[in-house]
Amino acid sequence: GENVEQHPSTLSVQEGDSAVIKCTYSDSASNYFPWYKQELGKRPQLIIDIRSNVGEKKDQRIAVTLNKTAKHFSLHITETQPEDSAVYFCAAKRRGSQGNLIFGKGTKLSVKP
Amino acid sequence: EAGVAQSPRYKIIEKRQSVAFWCNPISGHATLYWYQQILGQGPKLLIQFQNNGVVDDSQLPKDRFSAERLKGVDSTLKIQPAKLEDSAVYLCASSFYTGELFFGEGSRLTVL
Repeated sequence: GENVEQHPSTLSVQEGDSAVIKCTYSDSASNYFPWYKQELGKRPQLIIDIRSNVGEKKDQRIAVTLNKTAKHFSLHITETQPEDSAVYFCAAKRRGSQGNLIFGKGTKLSVKP
Repeated sequence: EAGVAQSPRYKIIEKRQSVAFWCNPISGHATLYWYQQILGQGPKLLIQFQNNGVVDDSQLPKDRFSAERLKGVDSTLKIQPAKLEDSAVYLCASSFYTGELFFGEGSRLTVL
């Protein structure tokens, strides 16, 4: 089955700096890669996702890149703000209804003002 | 638009007792998921329903966990008997077939 590895487990940056979180996946049949943000005690919420037919997607200060050959994808947050502090999870999913979403272990991002 | 509803939000029980969690997905969402999130870890899928049929329950500890989704809408997840290691947040999520997952607020279980 699918296995998703996520690094680093913790990340501390100064406000205004960039943050990068990296994930690798094992199942070459996976074709959907979302990123979720989870604030303390809250539900995970989707912040950006990418499908396997594109290599990069951007939404304001966040972007995701995908390298299907190497089976890894990354989340980039630019101009970080204190409200970006949270746990971020990457995930991977196979095509179709039979595929379920497998999550990485999470990265705790701290943005220091 | 109403989100995924879960109850109870918090539950404390003694080991070997039983507990049940309820989930009402977003209207029209065919797929419903139960995830277990242990503190400091990513959500782990327990079971996935498509309408009222089970798609994947390979990681559900069937000796103590059970889940059902009658009429393809609401779902319940039951644990009987509970163990200390079942302490976690149980997240319900729903999606319109294979699209984005929307999570509920979760049910936090503490087993003493």
